[in-house]
Amino acid sequence: KQEVTQIPAALSVPEGENLVLNCSFTDSAIYNLQWFRQDPGKGLTSLLLIQSSQREQTSGRLNASLDKSSGRSTLYIAASQPGDSATYLCAVDAGNMLTFGGGTRLMVKP
Amino acid sequence: EAQVTQNPRYLITVTGKKLTVTCSQNMNHEYMSWYRQDPGLGLRQIYYSMNVEVTDKGDVPEGYKVSRKEKRNFPLILESPSPNQTSLYFCASAIGRGGIIDTQYFGPGTRLTVL
Repeated sequence: KQEVTQIPAALSVPEGENLVLNCSFTDSAIYNLQWFRQDPGKGLTSLLLIQSSQREQTSGRLNASLDKSSGRSTLYIAASQPGDSATYLCAVDAGNMLTFGGGTRLMVKP
Repeated sequence: EAQVTQNPRYLITVTGKKLTVTCSQNMNHEYMSWYRQDPGLGLRQIYYSMNVEVTDKGDVPEGYKVSRKEKRNFPLILESPSPNQTSLYFCASAIGRGGIIDTQYFGPGTRLTVL
């Protein structure tokens, strides 16, 4: 059964720092991996989707990488801002179903 | 505006009283899914549907039913709710081709309390 782990569970950084969020999964037979953002009490917003054949995807200050063989993905956030404060979740699609990690709660302090 | 809507957004009910949470999407997506989110347990998939009349169990389907009679709607039915179904529920939709799910779009969530 696919298991997805996110480390760290929580992270607090000063504004302007570059940071990396980690996601690991146990079964490398995946179709894609998605990163989401969730604000308190709100739904999830998709940030990036990486197909299994891709190594990375970029959107603005966000860059996500995927290493299927090692079962790892990272989300890089450049020049963090207080508005980036949220919970970030990764999810893997291993065929019709998404398995989510527990999330990383990010706090960016002004 | 492309969106996934859920109703109701908040619901307090009592044990055993049947309820339905509706989910509708206007993006003509093939794939729809229901999740529940609980502290310490994260997001877990309840049921999903690859297309009209095609549904399948996720990780935690016990106590839930779904139907997909139309492409845009995917209601979640609790025939006899119990307190352990108190949770935050999310519906999502995505383009689904060849068994591969594209970017998922989530609804705003339904907070359910079962007394």
